[in-house]
Amino acid sequence: DGGITQSPKYLFRKEGQNVTLSCEQNLNHDAMYWYRQDPGQGLRLIYYSQIVNDFQKGDIAEGYSVSREKKESFPLTVTSAQKNPTAFYLCASSTGQAKIKEAFFGQGTRLTVV
Amino acid sequence: QQQVKQSPQSLIVQKGGISIINCAYENTAFDYFPWYQQFPGKGPALLIAIRPDVSEKKEGRFTISFNKSAKQFSLHIMDSQPGDSATYFCAASSWTGNQFYFGTGTSLTVIP
Repeated sequence: DGGITQSPKYLFRKEGQNVTLSCEQNLNHDAMYWYRQDPGQGLRLIYYSQIVNDFQKGDIAEGYSVSREKKESFPLTVTSAQKNPTAFYLCASSTGQAKIKEAFFGQGTRLTVV
Repeated sequence: QQQVKQSPQSLIVQKGGISIINCAYENTAFDYFPWYQQFPGKGPALLIAIRPDVSEKKEGRFTISFNKSAKQFSLHIMDSQPGDSATYFCAASSWTGNQFYFGTGTSLTVIP
């Protein structure tokens, strides 16, 4: 089945530790996105990539890093510089074409700092 | 700055009633307006979407009404069911960009 796979579903991080969230898609989409979801704040854009080897900061990029070495993969690293990382993280992808705009989401990763 | 403003934050509706969620935007470059439905612990899924060349789009019990001059659009859920209880997000995207701007979400509870 085509879709977006995020792993792990739950992740626990100790203070001062970097962790990486995985996002893989087999939809042949050019554009990929990372969002952070907190209660009452909706979805806030962390990073997005429109093409391999290129990505842009979103509204809340501080403390996060990404790479886009393959079209299918867009991993997100939550660094120790992110002071409040506990949240639900969502990865999404879209074709990137103006006429076909639908964004597909993964099932999310819940990150908790312990 | 919130590009898309959504209201209400929460909504309680009786089974069989009509649920209405409203969104407003300022950027006239937006040309695609989707609504997403999200159940707890899951990722959002596209429910219905509209482009500004039409004023209304209906899919089953779900209807988007779009007012281009007022820069507002709304989701109507007819004959609301307990299974519709979820969080709903409106969003907007422009012809020239690939970013999606989301509203803050509406938590809908349909009471049996």
